[in-house]
Amino acid sequence: AQSVAQPEDQVNVAEGNPLTVKCTYSVSGNPYLFWYVQYPNRGLQFLLKYITGDNLVKGSYGFEAEFNKSQTSFHLKKPSALVSDSALYFCAVGAINNNDMRFGAGTRLTVKP
Amino acid sequence: DAGVIQSPRHEVTEMGQEVTLRCKPISGHNSLFWYRQTMMRGLELLIYFNNNVPIDDSGMPEDRFSAKMPNASFSTLKIQPSEPRDSAVYFCASSFGAGTGNTIYFGEGSWLTVV
Repeated sequence: AQSVAQPEDQVNVAEGNPLTVKCTYSVSGNPYLFWYVQYPNRGLQFLLKYITGDNLVKGSYGFEAEFNKSQTSFHLKKPSALVSDSALYFCAVGAINNNDMRFGAGTRLTVKP
Repeated sequence: DAGVIQSPRHEVTEMGQEVTLRCKPISGHNSLFWYRQTMMRGLELLIYFNNNVPIDDSGMPEDRFSAKMPNASFSTLKIQPSEPRDSAVYFCASSFGAGTGNTIYFGEGSWLTVV
């Protein structure tokens, strides 16, 4: 079965600095990779996904992620962090059916003014 | 689009009571998921419906949990009897199709506390 790992429980960055939230995956066959964000007391919101094509995927709120097959990674990035980006970020990997989609444990991003 | 709608948003109940959580998926979506989120276990898939039919309920923790989807626009997750360890956030989510790569959209969650 597929799995995803988010190696950092917490990421702290200063406002205006670039941010990276890491994700690595394990799957048989082609991966389908997702990033979601969860703000306090809210549901998960879809940010972006990689299915096929260009390895650099652009999503909501200025976020982007790069699919790296050789490193089995799908790190989330943003060139300039905002305080309002502070939230819990989840990486997820799917395979054949979405019922097999596995979520990571989440990474808490804190952006300080 | 109204998104996935869940009710109640918050519920506090006593151990042993029955709890019913409700979900209205996004119109036109034919796949529906129930997830549970806790600090200890993260996000867990409980059950998945496709075209109103339960496809995979292997994540349902025990017989106290049951889920139904009587029509394309409504689903329930029931816990009877409830226990303190059931305290969690329960998310309903939906997608169009169950094929590879379809985006799953989440509701705002039902915060359940069993005392």
